[in-house]
Amino acid sequence: EAGVVQSPRYKIIEKKQPVAFWCNPISGHNTLYWYLQNLGQGPELLIRYENEEAVDDSQLPKDRFSAERLKGVDSTLKIQPAELGDSAVYLCASSLGLRTSGGPSTDTQYFGPGTRLTVL
Amino acid sequence: LAKTTQPISMDSYEGQEVNITCSHNNIATNDYITWYQQFPSQGPRFIIQGYKTKVTNEVASLFIPADRKSSTLSLPRVSLSDTAVYYCLVAGRYSSASKIIFGSGTRLSIRP
Repeated sequence: EAGVVQSPRYKIIEKKQPVAFWCNPISGHNTLYWYLQNLGQGPELLIRYENEEAVDDSQLPKDRFSAERLKGVDSTLKIQPAELGDSAVYLCASSLGLRTSGGPSTDTQYFGPGTRLTVL
Repeated sequence: LAKTTQPISMDSYEGQEVNITCSHNNIATNDYITWYQQFPSQGPRFIIQGYKTKVTNEVASLFIPADRKSSTLSLPRVSLSDTAVYYCLVAGRYSSASKIIFGSGTRLSIRP
């Protein structure tokens, strides 16, 4: 089974330029996550989608970051304009999605390889 | 906020058992504990998940005491390929984005 696919794997741009990252989740996974990971730190969640709906974008810097998941499958994360401090690895993850069980529930996330962004 | 605390780094030798502990004093009733492994230039990879007591799979065991304020990932007979960063994540299915916090992880180094 194919895992989460991300492209490009690496991107180098100059500051103030726009950049976009693409993610294709695991087939059948309804939930999609975008994370940012700085060097030596753990991933930080930016936005979570349930199908095509952004159910939680509270951590997304909306002045320059945007994301979309138009058909509830692939997703794109965009930065415009990029700043030096945006240099990081951008990770996409997916999971099965909402469960109907009444008790505590969880949803294992599967990560892609990430896109390493360098802003010069 | 269920902030997690882990040792920054640990060293061990091949064939040894390694235990990495994570503290999560503010864990909520609906939170699960999940451990991930991350190699350089790769995304985190799921290792094991649990809610309470002990969970075991083919690669690790997870021990969670009754108060659930901490958890211990146990890696039996480690090899050089277990050198990686290990993250403890405490979150529930409906956790908000601000609560899904990986922390800085534990950098595990295995020596021959």
